[in-house]
Amino acid sequence: GAVVSQHPSRVICKSGTSVKIECRSLDFQATTMFWYRQFPKQSLMLMATSNEGSKATYEQGVEKDKFLINHASLTLSTLTVTSAHPEDSSFYICSPKIQGSEKLFFGSGTQLSVL
Amino acid sequence: TQLLEQSPQFLSIQEGENLTVYCNSSSVFSSLQWYRQEPGEGPVLLVTVVTGGEVKKLKRLTFQFGDARKDSSLHITAAQPGDTGLYLCAGAQGAQKLVFGQGTRLTINP
Repeated sequence: GAVVSQHPSRVICKSGTSVKIECRSLDFQATTMFWYRQFPKQSLMLMATSNEGSKATYEQGVEKDKFLINHASLTLSTLTVTSAHPEDSSFYICSPKIQGSEKLFFGSGTQLSVL
Repeated sequence: TQLLEQSPQFLSIQEGENLTVYCNSSSVFSSLQWYRQEPGEGPVLLVTVVTGGEVKKLKRLTFQFGDARKDSSLHITAAQPGDTGLYLCAGAQGAQKLVFGQGTRLTINP
């Protein structure tokens, strides 16, 4: 099966700081990357979709200036939570997708806790 | 926005019992996937159903896709404590993004 590496798995930061989450597809090229957020005991909510080399498309209610997505290569995408606040505390999951395939892969997630 | 209504959201039963989780929508999906997620981890794909009326079995788990491709069910026979987890259905339209249901948190008591 495809290998997806998401890092870090857990991060605790102070309010106002920025946090970068990396997602790498280790053995395939991801033309599209989905970023999800999951609050405790809830389902996955799509935040944004990015295609390699293009600007990300954000879902309604997700601030693009707060959640910066970079998808500069086919094997790496990053999500930066800027000026994080306690309400941004959540489980963030990346999901790379191979072009033309409906199959999705998921990272192991990043638990962000903002104090 | 397509919505997937998943039910029940919480289910706690005794080991050995059977259970069914439902996933319903007013939208048609080209495929529907079922995932299981453990705490602190990403979801793991269990099955993908594509054809209306399709039934797939994975050991004690039986997945069915509705004839109209708007709904799906997951049936677990003789549930075991190891089945405990969060089960998620997700629908796809073409090669677009997945829409996830609210999830079913299943607890199997020994």
